[in-house]
Amino acid sequence: GNSVTQMEGPVTLSEEAFLTINCTYTATGYPSLFWYVQYPGEGLQLLLKATKADDKGSNKGFEATYRKETTSFHLEKGSVQVSDSAVYFCALSLREAGNMLTFGGGTRLMVKP
Amino acid sequence: GAVVSQHPSWVICKSGTSVKIECRSLDFQATTMFWYRQFPKQSLMLMATSNEGSKATYEQGVEKDKFLINHASLTLSTLTVTSAHPEDSSFYICSAEEMGSSYNEQFFGPGTRLTVL
Repeated sequence: GNSVTQMEGPVTLSEEAFLTINCTYTATGYPSLFWYVQYPGEGLQLLLKATKADDKGSNKGFEATYRKETTSFHLEKGSVQVSDSAVYFCALSLREAGNMLTFGGGTRLMVKP
Repeated sequence: GAVVSQHPSWVICKSGTSVKIECRSLDFQATTMFWYRQFPKQSLMLMATSNEGSKATYEQGVEKDKFLINHASLTLSTLTVTSAHPEDSSFYICSAEEMGSSYNEQFFGPGTRLTVL
């Protein structure tokens, strides 16, 4: 089956620290990969995506590279801000599976000033 | 672009009543909409997939008669929680896939928090 595993949180960092949130996946086909962010009390917002191997998704200083050889899509940011505090979800979807999203468990990030 | 709205954003109801949640794609047509449930501090659980004009496909373990889904048009899907009980209290999130999109990307609504007393 399809699954997404991401590091458990919470991750607590000081402002301007470097962020890495690991994400690995298993899939029966060739998935598209996503990172979503959820701020408190809100729905999900797409942060970035990659649809094929070696693609790098980037947005708001966040980056993730689709690594087919290691089945990974780790999220990174060079310098986090307090406003980045949120829950981050890694996800995959397969066109063969009707584009249903399979989510990881989510990682809560807390950035302290 | 690609905005999805949900209404209401939060609702409190008495046990035994039914609650309808609307999901609308505001600036695009959505052939497929998805309904998720999220428990506190947990990930999203897909409940069902709805396609315009056809019956919804429910995930294993989701009661069809409990969670009625109607996808009446290309811009509107509704989820009705029938005879709600406290254990139905949760955060319900919908998403929509844009018709004709070359990417399998879903756009999410802001969620509806349901509290059943």
